[in-house]
Amino acid sequence: GIQVEQSPPDLILQEGANSTLRCNFSDSVNNLQWFHQNPWGQLINLFYIPSGTKQNGRLSATTVATERYSLLYISSSQTTDSGVYFCAVYNYKLSFGAGTTVTVRA
Amino acid sequence: DGGITQSPKYLFRKEGQNVTLSCEQNLNHDAMYWYRQDPGQGLRLIYYSQIVNDFQKGDIAEGYSVSREKKESFPLTVTSAQKNPTAFYLCASSIVGAGNTIYFGEGSWLTVV
Repeated sequence: GIQVEQSPPDLILQEGANSTLRCNFSDSVNNLQWFHQNPWGQLINLFYIPSGTKQNGRLSATTVATERYSLLYISSSQTTDSGVYFCAVYNYKLSFGAGTTVTVRA
Repeated sequence: DGGITQSPKYLFRKEGQNVTLSCEQNLNHDAMYWYRQDPGQGLRLIYYSQIVNDFQKGDIAEGYSVSREKKESFPLTVTSAQKNPTAFYLCASSIVGAGNTIYFGEGSWLTVV
């Protein structure tokens, strides 16, 4: 099956810092989604982004499908950004990466 | 409010017992999914269903069973054959098709004691 690799596995940020999370995938995909899992386990959709760039407030994402990667940018990080960020790709089913655990310190 | 409701939130089970996790959605989605999450890991697909009365095995279906008698409901039974059932279980739904966003419930924590 398709392999999804996320990096880095862990990220510690000082409040106000910027960061980039990466998602690499091993095969062509029909779509790609980014999720944020809060400390209580709830998964929230951030972006549906099979290609191109999207922005939502302090978050933005870019997917370069031809090169099989996607990037999630967090700008001016806040403590509420803490949690695990997952990338998931769809060819015939949705496959998740292992996630990047982000800790934002005040 | 529209959404996906999972129950119970926390469940303890004795070894050898079956347990059923409930998942209900009022989003009018045709597709529903069950995922398992272990600590520090991503989500793995257990079962999915794209239409009532039909469902397919995912990557880790052994020891689990599902039913899809109604569009709104997709219960998951963790049977005694599942050798390591302690995990966080997430139900999700979407419109059928590759280009549609998937939405998750709040999850159920199952602990075998």
